[in-house]
Amino acid sequence: GAGVSQSPSNKVTEKGKDVELRCDPISGHTALYWYRQSLGQGLEFLIYFQGNSAPDKSGLPSDRFSAERTGGSVSTLTIQRTQQEDSAVYLCASSLFSTTSVTGELFFGEGSRLTVL
Amino acid sequence: SQQGEEDPQALSIQEGENATMNCSYKTSINNLQWYRQNSGRGLVHLILIRSNEREKHSGRLRVTLDTSKKSSSLLITASRAADTASYFCATDSGNTPLVFGKGTRLSVIA
Repeated sequence: GAGVSQSPSNKVTEKGKDVELRCDPISGHTALYWYRQSLGQGLEFLIYFQGNSAPDKSGLPSDRFSAERTGGSVSTLTIQRTQQEDSAVYLCASSLFSTTSVTGELFFGEGSRLTVL
Repeated sequence: SQQGEEDPQALSIQEGENATMNCSYKTSINNLQWYRQNSGRGLVHLILIRSNEREKHSGRLRVTLDTSKKSSSLLITASRAADTASYFCATDSGNTPLVFGKGTRLSVIA
C-alpha cells in the first residue's frame, strides 16, 4: 500500500478482554516496529521485527503482550486480559532497511487508540 | 528507556518567528532523526543527520548535531500556524530501535 495501515483506528474494550491490533507495513519494508504512546507522552518501544523474526522484544511490558509477523508483512499485536493502564495509542512503523547497526527512516501509521474501561 | 530529551517541553511563538528545539542524549549514536506529530496522528519523518555530519538543511528546517555535547537542535525558520505540532528527536545507537524523547509541543499563533 501507499503507507502504513493500522486497524482498528479506535478500540474500546472492557478490562480483562483480549484485543488484537493489526499493522500492514509499506510493501517491501523489511523492518517493522511497535511503539506505545500514552497521553501527552513520548513513544515507548515495544517490539521490533526484521522479516518475521523479532530480534528485540525487550519493550513488551508484560507476558500479556505478544506480537507476530507473518510472510514478512502484516503484524498483529495482541494484548491479553487488558488492564486500564494498557490504554494508549499503539503506533506501528516500518522501515526499508534496518541492519544490525543502522536504523533508517521510519514510516508511521496513524495508530490504534485503545481505551480499556 | 528514553535517551533523547527535548527542551523545552512546550514552546509558543508568533507566526513568522523562528522556533528552536533542543535534544540531548546520553550514549553514542549512528544517527539522530527528527519527527513531527500532529495531534492524534502518526509521526512524520522530517530529517536525519548522521553522526559525522554537523549541520543539515531541508526547506525551512535546519538541524545541527554536536556529538561532543551529545546534543542536537532543530530550527524552524519563518514559522507558520501549520507548523503547530509536537516535535520528537530519535536516536539510533546501533543494535537497538530508535529511541524517542518526550517531545516539544510547538504552538504557532497566527
